[in-house]
Amino acid sequence: QSALTQPASVSGSPGQSITISCTGTGSEVETYNLVSWYQQYPGKVPKLIIYEGSTRPSGVSNRFSGSKSGNSASLTISGLQSEDEADYYCCSYATITTPFFGGGTKLTVL
Amino acid sequence: QVHLEQSGAEVKKAGASVKVSCKTSGYLFGGHFLHWVRQAPGQGLEWMGWINPNSGRTNYAQRFQGWVTMTRDKSISTAYMELSSLKSDDTAVYYCARINCAGGVCWFDYWGQGTLVTVSS
Repeated sequence: QSALTQPASVSGSPGQSITISCTGTGSEVETYNLVSWYQQYPGKVPKLIIYEGSTRPSGVSNRFSGSKSGNSASLTISGLQSEDEADYYCCSYATITTPFFGGGTKLTVL
Repeated sequence: QVHLEQSGAEVKKAGASVKVSCKTSGYLFGGHFLHWVRQAPGQGLEWMGWINPNSGRTNYAQRFQGWVTMTRDKSISTAYMELSSLKSDDTAVYYCARINCAGGVCWFDYWGQGTLVTVSS
């Protein structure tokens, strides 16, 4: 059973940069571009912010970026703003498999 | 534009079944698989399964096999998710989500607004 592990919480001050990791136990992250990231405000619908590892959908701020290091994918938010305070989920999904979500990370802007 | 409109909140007794609908618009219904994802209160996202709107073929997460049924009605571009033998820990928000794929990689690009299902004992 594959799994994606994220830190339960991260925090940062306005203007800083933070990174959220997403570590796979199998090959879910080794193929880097399998990973997508979602932002979810409390009580709201998840929103796609990164797909194919590092591609931003139209309308998503360029303060959000995706990358990979070893067997971990990462989401970096630069120039942190109060509106970035939300939950973030990674997901790995190749067409020949089924999707796996990470457990989610709560971002607090101090 | 693409829109996924889900049915309203449900309150069910333990042991009952619930059927949630997801009406799509703004794109070719058969062009994208539809997935169902649920989120229990204060918890993360849990993938339940998908349906191919063209063929009706389904693929369910192992833990839901035997008690979830996903169907679709192509004539009205609507997908359905039915969960039977409800238990209190099935209380969750249920989302339908459209998948987009390219080069063997997929992501959820549009989501329904969610349907809260509350199961009382």
